[in-house]
Parts: sequence; structure tokens; C-alpha cells
Amino acid sequence: DAGVIQSPRHEVTEMGQEVTLRCKPISGHNSLFWYRQTMMRGLELLIYFNNNVPIDDSGMPEDRFSAKMPNASFSTLKIQPSEPRDSAVYFCASTLRTSSYNEQFFGPGTRLTVL
Amino acid sequence: AQKVTQAQTEISVVEKEDVTLDCVYETRDTTYYLFWYKQPPSGELVFLIRRNSFDEQNEISGRYSWNFQKSTSSFNFTITASQVVDSAVSFCALSEAKTSGSRLTFGEGTQLTVNP
Repeated sequence: DAGVIQSPRHEVTEMGQEVTLRCKPISGHNSLFWYRQTMMRGLELLIYFNNNVPIDDSGMPEDRFSAKMPNASFSTLKIQPSEPRDSAVYFCASTLRTSSYNEQFFGPGTRLTVL
Repeated sequence: AQKVTQAQTEISVVEKEDVTLDCVYETRDTTYYLFWYKQPPSGELVFLIRRNSFDEQNEISGRYSWNFQKSTSSFNFTITASQVVDSAVSFCALSEAKTSGSRLTFGEGTQLTVNP
């Protein structure tokens, strides 16, 4: 069974450009999470969805960030306009159902560099 | 508010040494879950273990073992006879049953380097 799929794996862009990160969760999983990992702040939850509905977006840094989940098999995280401080590794994770018990399965991450 | 602290930023050992990674957590919930994830140099996060707050039994999986002690709010991870392939960043994480939903709070991570 395929794991969580993220694309692109690496993205280099210039300040001010729009960036879109993509995620395909594990089939059958109904919760999806977006995390950001930086040296300064570690792993931070940005937003999570349950059954395609955003449940908690309190971690989204500011209005430049938006996330969507149009269906059970696809989600996007968009940054517009991007800034150098957005440089980080962005992980997508999914879990079978929303529960504090269930482990999350992580994708390989997208390493974003904003110049 | 929930919090996870991994005081050891970096640990360096020589192959075959035993090593323990510490994790201390804070929570007001009586039901919660603790996790360990590993992040090897390739970058992906790999789930290792889950423990619920009612189960204080130690867990052993091959060379890995976990010691959960509610009295000290700790959930430590020990690697016996370490190997170079154990070099990774390991994260401890906490999820509260009542307030978190599926939200995981991660510790800062401990970078383990096992030298040959």
C-alpha cells in the first residue's frame, strides 16, 4: 500500500511567488494534517482536516497561507506571496480516523526554499 | 496546555553502547497518548510506538525499549547495543484525548549520532 505522497519534494522559488504544495493521503484515511518543520520552531501543526473539513487551522501563520482538501484523496497548501521566512520542510500526514489514539503516517516532506 | 520536553538536543555514542533518550511531558488530561517518531537522515518521519496513559508497562521491540512512568511524567526511549543505522532525530509526542482531537504536540527532538 502506498504511503502518503507529497509533491514536489523540493521547491525553490523567489520571494513574492505563489507556492503550492500537494498531498495525497493514504487511501481510507479520513484525517489529514499539514506540519512545518524548522530549526527554530521544530515541528508545528499548521492545520488538520477531518473528512475533508478543516477542523483546526490555528497553526496557520498568517493570511498568506491557505489549505484546501477538495476530496478525500487530495490536499493543497498554498503560500501567496511567499517570503524567505517560509523556508522549511512541510510534511503532510494522515491517520485512519480522528482520534488522539491513532498514529499519524507522514509523507516524505517538501523542502521549500524561498530566496 | 500540553507540552513535551526533550532536554537532550544531541547525543553522540560509539557503536554498541546503550543510549537513553529522555522525554518529559505535561498535560492536565487524565487520558492521553504518547508517541515516539524517528527521523533518519533521509528526512521522513517514522512512527515507532504509541503508549496510552493507562498502560505503564514497558515495551521492548528488538533493541528498542520504552519506559513510561506516570509518576515522573516521563516516556524514555532506550536503544541497546546501538548501531550506526540508529543515527537519527527522534521525537517524542503527546496527544490528549479530551482536548487534542488528533493534534500531536512534538518535543524538540534529540539528534542521536552513533559513531563506528
